[in-house]
Amino acid sequence: KAGVTQTPRYLIKTRGQQVTLSCSPISGHRSVSWYQQTPGQGLQFLFEYFSETQRNKGNFPGRFSGRQFSNSRSEMNVSTLELGDSALYLCASSLGEAVNGYTFGSGTRLTVV
Amino acid sequence: GDSVTQMEGPVTLSEEAFLTINCTYTATGYPSLFWYVQYPGEGLQLLLKATKADDKGSNKGFEATYRKETTSFHLEKGSVQVSDSAVYFCALSVTGTASKLTFGTGTRLQVTL
Repeated sequence: KAGVTQTPRYLIKTRGQQVTLSCSPISGHRSVSWYQQTPGQGLQFLFEYFSETQRNKGNFPGRFSGRQFSNSRSEMNVSTLELGDSALYLCASSLGEAVNGYTFGSGTRLTVV
Repeated sequence: GDSVTQMEGPVTLSEEAFLTINCTYTATGYPSLFWYVQYPGEGLQLLLKATKADDKGSNKGFEATYRKETTSFHLEKGSVQVSDSAVYFCALSVTGTASKLTFGTGTRLQVTL
């Protein structure tokens, strides 16, 4: 079966711009989570959506937002980009609980210049 | 709050050597424990998991035992291969925040011939 698909794979944006990242989960998975990975901070939880509702949220500023559609696809938006937003953004999908194991996508590498 | 502490890397081993990567945790509730692996340029893959004390997770020759008394979940493999070279992440999720994974900082493993 198809895995978790993230698009685009690479992005270069200018400081102050906004960006939207997309994630298509495994068919049948209703939970989608987003993580930011940086060399300095490691893997940090952004938020999780389940059946179009945000169920859990990490400690990120309001510039980071997301949503989930009725087909479980999810988007993440970052407004007013800062240099420190440069990171690998990983999406993960699950049937519903982390104990079942999350399947991660390959990520979107965002570079802010 | 919840946290995971992993041994600092990189860990460099010769092929067929024994591997141990230490992981300890602090959790506000009763956690499930995971090891994820990240190969270069890819997302994270679930390697193994354990959901209650004394459970042993195992996969592809790797194993880890959930030790509640020492709050540990050390990863071991009896004989590593060059193909095991990757970054290994210990993680936990706690009931109540079960949709969120808390990760350690990762341990890079380099296996040489």
